[in-house]
Amino acid sequence: EIVLTQSPGTLSLSPGERATLSCRASQSVSSSYLAWYQQKPGQAPRLLIYGASSRATGIPDRFSGSGSGTDFTLTISRLEPEDFAVYYCQQYGSSPPERLTFGGGTKVEIK
Amino acid sequence: QVQLQESGPGLVKPSQTLSLTCTVSGGSISSGDYYWSWIRQPPGKGLEWIGYIYYSGSTYYNPSLKSRVTISVDTSKNQFSLKLSSVTAADTAVYYCARGDSSGYYGLDTWGQGTLVTVSS
Repeated sequence: EIVLTQSPGTLSLSPGERATLSCRASQSVSSSYLAWYQQKPGQAPRLLIYGASSRATGIPDRFSGSGSGTDFTLTISRLEPEDFAVYYCQQYGSSPPERLTFGGGTKVEIK
Repeated sequence: QVQLQESGPGLVKPSQTLSLTCTVSGGSISSGDYYWSWIRQPPGKGLEWIGYIYYSGSTYYNPSLKSRVTISVDTSKNQFSLKLSSVTAADTAVYYCARGDSSGYYGLDTWGQGTLVTVSS
């Protein structure tokens, strides 16, 4: 069973700074099936990135995803006030097929 | 635009069965392009996948919950449902329903607002 480990657990940054979030898989994950979500307090998660690097509908281009194999990254180029939230990575379909797994999350907080 | 809405009791007694329904509006649950999933989030914790179902009725469950979970679909009502048996306080969580594309490529693109279920006597 694949385990997704996100780091750091908390990222303290100021608006305008660059945020780099890591998602590491215990086994190789097909990059086609790696997604990132944003969750704000009291809200449902929102899809940001699918297929490791494709932005979902309406997602600003300051959000970008990259990576392959076991190492994936979500980058927020310049943090806006509304970007302070918790971010989760998620994989589908790797070891075994058709199972979903979420990472533990990274909280991006205002420094 | 497709919308999902969870409904069900907010309070369940220990050892009883938790039952929730997700109503799909703005689209058909019978589309073969999607699967329909349940995810939960204990207070202050991360997301846990529970399972999902295709309109055909095929289901896939998290192994850690499989013995207690049943997900079903009612295409006539455009709904899918979750039953979790023998609940304990550890099952207290916000329960979300969500839509995923059947290829897995496009992630979970639509979520319900979530419903808090508390397990307590």
